[in-house]
Amino acid sequence: EAQVTQNPRYLITVTGKKLTVTCSQNMNHEYMSWYRQDPGLGLRQIYYSMNVEVTDKGDVPEGYKVSRKEKRNFPLILESPSPNQTSLYFCASLSGSGHEQYFGPGTRLTVT
Amino acid sequence: EDQVTQSPEALRLQEGESSSLNCSYTVSGLRGLFWYRQDPGKGPEFLFTLYSAGEEKEKERLKATLTKKESFLHITAPKPEDSATYLCAVQNFGNEKLTFGTGTRLTIIP
Repeated sequence: EAQVTQNPRYLITVTGKKLTVTCSQNMNHEYMSWYRQDPGLGLRQIYYSMNVEVTDKGDVPEGYKVSRKEKRNFPLILESPSPNQTSLYFCASLSGSGHEQYFGPGTRLTVT
Repeated sequence: EDQVTQSPEALRLQEGESSSLNCSYTVSGLRGLFWYRQDPGKGPEFLFTLYSAGEEKEKERLKATLTKKESFLHITAPKPEDSATYLCAVQNFGNEKLTFGTGTRLTIIP
């Protein structure tokens, strides 16, 4: 089954404690991206990657890092989380041919 | 800067009452316009991709159309299970970025 998985699904942490949210896809897609979703602001792209070792900033990259060492994985790293990064995060991958984009189930992050 | 505006923000319809959702966009070069459905607490579910003005795509009670400035999602004879938030996004041809609208929350009343 084609899918995008994210872990953890829920996370409560404290300001400044580094964390990583993992994302993996099994569709051999080249394009992957991270979004955050906040009430009234919609989905905003944080970072995206067009292939292994190729990443670029989206609209709201501040405070986040990513890496793309393998095609299937695209982890999101918060080196020093702050309360304004409390949000619902989605990972997604995009097919090249049909341009279908598949989203993961989401990670709800709370930073206190 | 690419922009996507969706209207209305919320829409309540009686079961069987057809309507349309609007997505207006500005983008320097359009690679594709996407429509998604999102249920509460879940990730968006892909519906359609449109690539050029005049293109139309259909899936069950949904039909998406595209012009050079906007896209419409037409819902024909909706059922309560069509209740969801519908999201529109554009992908920029030059930098591959995706920009989303804030969505239309659709409620179908039995």
